Amino acid sequence: GIQVEQSPPDLILQEGANSTLRCNFSDSVNNLQWFHQNPWGQLINLFYIPSGTKQNGRLSATTVATERYSLLYISSSQTTDSGVYFCAVELYQGGSEKLVFGKGTKLTVNP
Amino acid sequence: EPEVTQTPSHQVTQMGQEVILRCVPISNHLYFYWYRQILGQKVEFLVSFYNNEISEKSEIFDDQFSVERPDGSNFTLKIRSTKLEDSAMYFCASSRGSPLHFGNGTRLTVT
Repeated sequence: GIQVEQSPPDLILQEGANSTLRCNFSDSVNNLQWFHQNPWGQLINLFYIPSGTKQNGRLSATTVATERYSLLYISSSQTTDSGVYFCAVELYQGGSEKLVFGKGTKLTVNP
Repeated sequence: EPEVTQTPSHQVTQMGQEVILRCVPISNHLYFYWYRQILGQKVEFLVSFYNNEISEKSEIFDDQFSVERPDGSNFTLKIRSTKLEDSAMYFCASSRGSPLHFGNGTRLTVT
């Protein structure tokens, strides 16, 4: 099956720093989503980005489908950005879309 | 914005008991999913459901699990005889194709 690798597994930042999270995937995919899992366990959808670049405030994402990777940029990080960031690739199987998740990047932003 | 709603947010049950996790998908969505996340691990696909039948299921989704859309609005996951290793966060998701929209999850604790 498809492999989804995220790096780094852990990242510790000081408030105000910038960071880049990476997601590599081993095969062609229909689409890609980035999620933030907050301390309460909720999955917050950040971006739906099959290709190109999108921006939402301090966050932006770029997917280069032909090279099978996506990047999530966090600028001017805040303590509330802490949590786990998941990349998930979308496959079409069995008549429906299915997401395959990476293991996540655990981000800790210190004040 | 419409949301996927899951109840309860937290359920504690004894080993061997049956549990039913409930979800109300977004009203005009056609595809429904359950995912599971064991504490500290990645989010894993369990099952997808379309047109009142299972379209795909993972190896995790054995005979102890079943899904149902009993009344056109709710989507349920039943675990017949819970085991300790069923303790996890269970996420419901729905879509009209893509992207998938996730609920806030039900944390199941089996004691």
